[in-house]
Amino acid sequence: NAGVTQTPKFRILKIGQSMTLQCTQDMNHNYMYWYRQDPGMGLKLIYYSVGAGITDKGEVPNGYNVSRSTTEDFPLRLELAAPSQTSVYFCASSTVTLGVIYGYTFGSGTRLTVV
Amino acid sequence: AQTVTQSQPEMSVQEAETVTLSCTYDTSENNYYLFWYKQPPSRQMILVIRQEAYKQQNATENRFSVNFQKAAKSFSLKISDSQLGDTAMYFCAFMSGNFNKFYFGSGTKLNVKP
Repeated sequence: NAGVTQTPKFRILKIGQSMTLQCTQDMNHNYMYWYRQDPGMGLKLIYYSVGAGITDKGEVPNGYNVSRSTTEDFPLRLELAAPSQTSVYFCASSTVTLGVIYGYTFGSGTRLTVV
Repeated sequence: AQTVTQSQPEMSVQEAETVTLSCTYDTSENNYYLFWYKQPPSRQMILVIRQEAYKQQNATENRFSVNFQKAAKSFSLKISDSQLGDTAMYFCAFMSGNFNKFYFGSGTKLNVKP
């Protein structure tokens, strides 16, 4: 099925470990986003990308890195995991045509626990 | 800075009745988008309805409609004929017109009772 695919769905990390959350979309969307959702809260934007090779910081970028080498993939890298990064991570994508946004789609999320 | 406020942490409604969820936002921009998302226990974020700020007409999607008051910076969601499947967290969200800012409210937990 077309959409946004995130892997893994669950992960437990030890403090100081690193990992990459994968995100792939097959809708040829030019925009992609990473969010985190802390318990009982709304989503906060970590990073976004408007196209391959272009990324920019969102509201809460510290402790994370991203890359966008292809239109389809937008991995999120956590270096030196900390307990404060325990959260649910969502990837999303959309297309923007003639200044109008379409098809904003979320992945199913990755639940990350740092212990 | 843009903020989105949902003042109702939790609401309940009887099946088949109508409920309205409140949302206010703060922005200095003139062109932006507003959204309501539904998040059931499955955790999937599901788009319920969207509104472009330049459109005066309120958006509707079947049983879901909004009351968009641009001057008051208010964006409430009305759910008519509530169904058990509407039970979920509902998030109001603001996206800037250049798409680089996307702010969510803290959510309203809606319980539809049989």
